[in-house]
Amino acid sequence: DVKVTQSSRYLVKRTGEKVFLECVQDMDHENMFWYRQDPGLGLRLIYFSYDVKMKEKGDIPEGYSVSREKKERFSLILESASTNQTSMYLCASSLGGRGVYEQYFGPGTRLTVT
Amino acid sequence: QQPVQSPQAVILREGEDAVINCSSSKALYSVHWYRQKHGEAPVFLMILLKGGEQKGHEKISASFNEKKQQSSLYLTASQLSYSGTYFCGTPVPGYNKLIFGAGTRLAVHP
Repeated sequence: DVKVTQSSRYLVKRTGEKVFLECVQDMDHENMFWYRQDPGLGLRLIYFSYDVKMKEKGDIPEGYSVSREKKERFSLILESASTNQTSMYLCASSLGGRGVYEQYFGPGTRLTVT
Repeated sequence: QQPVQSPQAVILREGEDAVINCSSSKALYSVHWYRQKHGEAPVFLMILLKGGEQKGHEKISASFNEKKQQSSLYLTASQLSYSGTYFCGTPVPGYNKLIFGAGTRLAVHP
């Protein structure tokens, strides 16, 4: 059974803290994604990675960075958390290569920044 | 550019039908549909690759009209388990990524 796991389901941080969200997939997928989900806005792509150490900005990368040192792990970093980064964060993975494939999502991390 | 979904929300009684639309101002080469139940991760339903092709998942089917740059999701004889938010996603040419619509919330009541 395919799996994408995220390090925390709920997280509360203070403004200005550095925050790490971890995502691990066990499907040997090349592509990994970080989305942010807010009511009425759908799923917005923050960053994605198509290979180890490779990354591409998504639609809303400001205030975020990512790290992919191993194929199975993709980390989202909030360098200095702000209240407007309070949101649900979803990680996903998919096969790579030409074409766009089915994405498998993790359960999400609900981050609250106070 | 984010695809536009309509309606934003639908309320149904069990057994009723619904249609959810997804349209884009740009040329579409494929459309992906996902469903997210409350408190859960989004789950893939289907990909539509060809113009006019229909696909199915349970009693959920979809069509894709390239000329109209639109896809429609048809939920027939809805069940309580169909409740959730439905998202369409459209690929960005040259990239292995999707742009998702804002979602359509579907609530099915007994």
